[in-house]
Amino acid sequence: GQQLNQSPQSMFIQEGEDVSMNCTSSSIFNTWLWYKQDPGEGPVLLIALYKAGELTSNGRLTAQFGITRKDSFLNISASIPSDVGIYFCAGQRETSGSRLTFGEGTQLTVNP
Amino acid sequence: GAVVSQHPSWVICKSGTSVKIECRSLDFQATTMFWYRQFPKQSLMLMATSNEGSKATYEQGVEKDKFLINHASLTLSTLTVTSAHPEDSSFYICSARWQRNTEAFFGQGTRLTVV
Repeated sequence: GQQLNQSPQSMFIQEGEDVSMNCTSSSIFNTWLWYKQDPGEGPVLLIALYKAGELTSNGRLTAQFGITRKDSFLNISASIPSDVGIYFCAGQRETSGSRLTFGEGTQLTVNP
Repeated sequence: GAVVSQHPSWVICKSGTSVKIECRSLDFQATTMFWYRQFPKQSLMLMATSNEGSKATYEQGVEKDKFLINHASLTLSTLTVTSAHPEDSSFYICSARWQRNTEAFFGQGTRLTVV
């Protein structure tokens, strides 16, 4: 099935640094979602974006829904060791029965 | 957030046998449940969508006779991997939502190993 282009694939940063990742698509999505997955667990929703141009924060996390509706980014500020994990973007279209299309994921490693 | 529970968390089975995975919404009624498969270091791939009381809709390339899905109640969906083979070894994850425009919550996943 179709996947979103998510980058970077992996990141190695020092504790305290800010991090940014993004997703792009060739087609429009009505909703963008960002998830975090820990090893051996299911994804947990971090931020949901419903309107083009929307900028939403959740603690140290900030995400934006691109104006074109074909992209989104997630920023994590002042990273801490527990931020380690895989971050996935997901897009949703009402015309697809509200199914989610996932990006390939960004593996984040935070060195203390 | 709402709680979705999968059982078992992990299972090892012999090649040729069948294995059933349960997905339960614990504190809400799930009209729709989704089943995903995730291979190591890869993303989640949707296998099928099931609506309570009706047949599941399978994604292209997913064999419906091999991956049997039953969504008989508003709180339970099951995925049965029939005649499992080593290549079916994967992480299977379900998600559930109350209605069309609401958030879907994910279960903790089931690690299936076929030996």
